[in-house]
Amino acid sequence: DGGITQSPKYLFRKEGQNVTLSCEQNLNHDAMYWYRQDPGQGLRLIYYSQIVNDFQKGDIAEGYSVSREKKESFPLTVTSAQKNPTAFYLCASSTQGTGEQFFGPGTRLTVL
Amino acid sequence: QKEVEQNSGPLSVPEGAIASLNCTYSDRVSQSFFWYRQYSGKSPELIMSIYSNGDKEDGRFTAQLNKASQYVSLLIRDSQPSDSATYLCAVIDPGTYKYIFGTGTRLKVLA
Repeated sequence: DGGITQSPKYLFRKEGQNVTLSCEQNLNHDAMYWYRQDPGQGLRLIYYSQIVNDFQKGDIAEGYSVSREKKESFPLTVTSAQKNPTAFYLCASSTQGTGEQFFGPGTRLTVL
Repeated sequence: QKEVEQNSGPLSVPEGAIASLNCTYSDRVSQSFFWYRQYSGKSPELIMSIYSNGDKEDGRFTAQLNKASQYVSLLIRDSQPSDSATYLCAVIDPGTYKYIFGTGTRLKVLA
C-alpha cells in the first residue's frame, strides 16, 4: 500500500525530555512537511523539505528540529526547548506535478 | 502575510441539501487550490484540487474557482450526516512552495 506512516500514534513525554516522531512515505514524493494542530485550531507549519539533505523553517520552528537524510523519511524531534509541545502532529508529503499534499495519520503528543 | 480565510461555522444543513463552503485568499499569483475534509481527531483527507477558473466536479463534490475574485468554493450535493466534518481550504504559495491553510469551516449535516 502506498502512503504515509507516522509513529507512534500516541506519545507521552516528561518535561525536559526530547522525543522524536517518525514519518515515512513510499509515494516517491520529493517534498515533506510537518504541521502542528492544537485543539480547535488550524494547521501551523513547523518545517518542510523539498529535497533530500535540505529543509526550511516554517512558521513555528522554535523548539523543533528535523533531518532529511533519505527521500522516504522526515523525522521530527521535539526538544525540551519547546514550551508547549502537547498537540497533534501531522506529517505530509506532496508531488511536484499536481502539488497535491497528502497527510499521515498523525501523532498525538502529550507532555506529562 | 499571505492568508486564506474561511468562515469557521458551524454551517448546519439538512440531510439531502446542498452545502456551500467558501474560501478567499490574499495572494493573486496563487495557482493551486485544495479542499480537505477533517473528521474530529483524524488527519486531513484531500477531497478536491482545482487549478483553473470554473467548476470541477467529482461525485457529489464540486469545486469552483474564480481567480479574479480570489475566491474558491466547495459545493456538496445531497449532503449526508457522514459529511459532518471540518473542511479546510488550502493554497500553495508559489514563492516558497508552502501550503497556506484556512482555519476550516465546520459542517453539520442534520438527519
